[in-house]
Formats: sequence, C-alpha cells, structure tokens
Amino acid sequence: KAGVTQTPRYLIKTRGQQVTLSCSPISGHRSVSWYQQTPGQGLQFLFEYFSETQRNKGNFPGRFSGRQFSNSRSEMNVSTLELGDSALYLCASSDPGRSLYEQYFGPGTRLTVT
Amino acid sequence: QKEVEQDPGPLSVPEGAIVSLNCTYSNSAFQYFMWYRQYSRKGPELLMYTYSSGNKEDGRFTAQVDKSSKYISLFIRDSQPSDSATYLCAMSARRGSQGNLIFGKGTKLSVKP
Repeated sequence: KAGVTQTPRYLIKTRGQQVTLSCSPISGHRSVSWYQQTPGQGLQFLFEYFSETQRNKGNFPGRFSGRQFSNSRSEMNVSTLELGDSALYLCASSDPGRSLYEQYFGPGTRLTVT
Repeated sequence: QKEVEQDPGPLSVPEGAIVSLNCTYSNSAFQYFMWYRQYSRKGPELLMYTYSSGNKEDGRFTAQVDKSSKYISLFIRDSQPSDSATYLCAMSARRGSQGNLIFGKGTKLSVKP
C-alpha cells in the first residue's frame, strides 16, 4: 500500500506570496492532519480534516487554511507569507475506524520564505 | 513551563549501548503517550504507544510511563547505527482527534559503529 505523499517536496517563496501544499493520504484513510515543524517550536498541529470537514484547528493565524476533497486528498494554503513561515510542513493520515491514535506521516514539504 | 519538555541532545552513544530517552510533562490529564522516530528528511513514524502508567515492550524498545512523576521514557537496548534519528515524544488527554496531541521537540540520537 502506498504511503502518504506530499507535493512539492521543496519550495522557495518570497514574503507576501501565497503557497498551496498538497497531501495524498494512504488509500482508505479519511482523516488528514497538517503540522508545522520548526527547530524552535517543534511539531505543531495546524488542522485536521475528516470526510471533507475541519474537525480541529490549532493555534495559527487565519493566513493558514486548508481543505479536503471527496477523495480524501487535502491541500493547505498559506497566504501573505512571512519569514517565520519557513518550516517543514507535514501531513499525516489515519483511519479512525481502525485506530484512534495511529497516524502515518508523509515526508513533508520544506518551505523556505525569503 | 511548557506542557512537554524533552532534552534536544544531541545524544551520541556507541553501538550496543542502552539508550534512555525521556520527556517530562506538566498536564496531569495526559494519559495517552507515544514515541515517534524521525529519520532525516522523513516524516515521523510511530514507534510505541502506551495508555496510562506502566511499561510496554516491543523488541529492543521499552516505553515506560510514570504518571506520578509526570515522566515518560523510551529505552533502546543493543542500539544500532540504524537507530540514529530524532525521537519525539507525544501525549494526549483524549483519544481521537489528532489535534489533542502535544509533541516534545525531539532528541537527536546518534549511534556510532
């Protein structure tokens, strides 16, 4: 079974631009979560989607948004990029019907804002 | 005080050593505890999951939870160079939504051949 895939793997943007990151979960997984990972703050939860509905949201500004499609694929968008948005953005998928705690992470998208 | 504290390391040990990785936490409501391993340029992968207090063993890995001290540990026996990675602890007060998980910042481990 294919793992979680994220595109693109690397991205360089300038301040003020916007960016869209994509995540394809493991087949059959309907829950997708997004995280931001930085050396200073560690792994921080952004939001979780289940069956196209946002189920939970972390403490991030409204510039960070996401959505999930009917095939469970998910995108996250960051508008008006700031230097502090430079981070590894990780997507994780899970199957709540099978396990409420086990989630599988993708390799991440490394975003650099200059 | 941060909810979850984890020594960032780096921790360097010789092959075959017993490794002890630890996290402390402040929220007494936490009762689900996990350890993730993250290799360079990869996403984290779940290693161990423990509910409430006690020990759990899986091969060379043992997870230990001491709720009275708000302290969790991961022990790696007979460490191998392939164990070189960053280890993240994570904990939650509730099952279910991943948004309830609080992660430590990770300890970078290097096992030298």
